[in-house]
Amino acid sequence: GAGVSQSPRYKVAKRGQDVALRCDPISGHVSLFWYQQALGQGPEFLTYFQNEAQLDKSGLPSDRFFAERPEGSVSTLKIQRTQQEDSAVYLCASSLRTSVPGGTQYFGPGTRLLVL
Amino acid sequence: GENVEQHPSTLSVQEGDSAVIKCTYSDSASNYFPWYKQELGKGPQLIIDIRSNVGEKKDQRIAVTLNKTAKHFSLHITETQPEDSAVYFCAALNSGYSTLTFGKGTMLLVSP
Repeated sequence: GAGVSQSPRYKVAKRGQDVALRCDPISGHVSLFWYQQALGQGPEFLTYFQNEAQLDKSGLPSDRFFAERPEGSVSTLKIQRTQQEDSAVYLCASSLRTSVPGGTQYFGPGTRLLVL
Repeated sequence: GENVEQHPSTLSVQEGDSAVIKCTYSDSASNYFPWYKQELGKGPQLIIDIRSNVGEKKDQRIAVTLNKTAKHFSLHITETQPEDSAVYFCAALNSGYSTLTFGKGTMLLVSP
């Protein structure tokens, strides 16, 4: 079956521009996660949804970052007034169950964001 | 919060050799430890995981060991092949939280 898909795969933005990154999780997966991966680093948690509820947003680096999952399926990560330090790969992952052990996270290919 | 340390950062082996990657974690409440393989331009792919009630798990050429007392876990790849070349990440999950904490990754290069 289809895995997690993300779009766009690449995004170049001018500093100050707003961007929106989309994640289509595996059908039926309850949990959805966003991670930020800087070059040469491991993924770092941004936010977590269980269905449409955003249960944890402790990893969002600033109030310029906003995520939503209004119908409990597709999610969008929005970054307002982008800065150069926002340049990274943004990864989305989904899990069939809640995040306690047993809920394997399946990752999408990521969106590579470059802010000039 | 959880802190995961991973080493080495790079590892070069000859085809057929074994490779070992080690991770330590800080939060004794963590109870789930997955390993991911990430190829260039792709998202991380789960290759094996272990839960805290198990000391060792094996899947063909890949094995993971966990020492909860010492708070460390390791990935073992035997009979390495060039297609094993990738970046490998360890991670830890605390059931009291919703997130995985990843190590910084190990770039494994297997030379033919």
